[in-house]
Amino acid sequence: NAGVTQTPKFQVLKTGQSMTLQCAQDMNHNSMYWYRQDPGMGLRLIYYSASEGTTDKGEVPNGYNVSRLNKREFSLRLESAAPSQTSVYFCASGSNSPLHFGNGTRLTVT
Amino acid sequence: GQQLNQSPQSMFIQEGEDVSMNCTSSSIFNTWLWYKQDPGEGPVLLIALYKAGELTSNGRLTAQFGITRKDSFLNISASIPSDVGIYFCAGQLRNTDKLIFGTGTRLQVFP
Repeated sequence: NAGVTQTPKFQVLKTGQSMTLQCAQDMNHNSMYWYRQDPGMGLRLIYYSASEGTTDKGEVPNGYNVSRLNKREFSLRLESAAPSQTSVYFCASGSNSPLHFGNGTRLTVT
Repeated sequence: GQQLNQSPQSMFIQEGEDVSMNCTSSSIFNTWLWYKQDPGEGPVLLIALYKAGELTSNGRLTAQFGITRKDSFLNISASIPSDVGIYFCAGQLRNTDKLIFGTGTRLQVFP
């Protein structure tokens, strides 16, 4: 029972580097989400995918792109990382139900 | 955008004390959820509220969904050390799984 799996757990990037955060869920959920968590600001929605083949912007999409590769996988890409993107990133999934979260990816951009 | 106002921001209490935290919003939500986050982990669902006025318990936790659908509170009775963590409220709009989160309440429990 893996639930929502995120990789990597930790990453350090230099400004301008690119990387992709991976997320997979094994609960057959339709919707998948990417949130970022910053101190004192709760979780803010970056992008989401209501179903396979669709993606939509959330509250803070600038500087990010996403791909819903199939029903299981939803990746988040930083094309040119900036220090302001230092954060903890959480993937979540759901299907007309409360969301289930992964354990996060801690990203530091220097 | 929509925001949830969660208070207090942090609480420092002694083991055995009761705890109360709440969330308010300018928007109406279809569902209200309370999550807990332990260090280094993702949020885990504690209680889900679906009906206005609903009062739900889960062990030592009790939560209520406000009549106006714009607020909710969470109570923890007889706190224990493992209650330490960050508690988030979250509102879910009708016909979507998308959640709007509060800013969190950080709870510390001292023996």
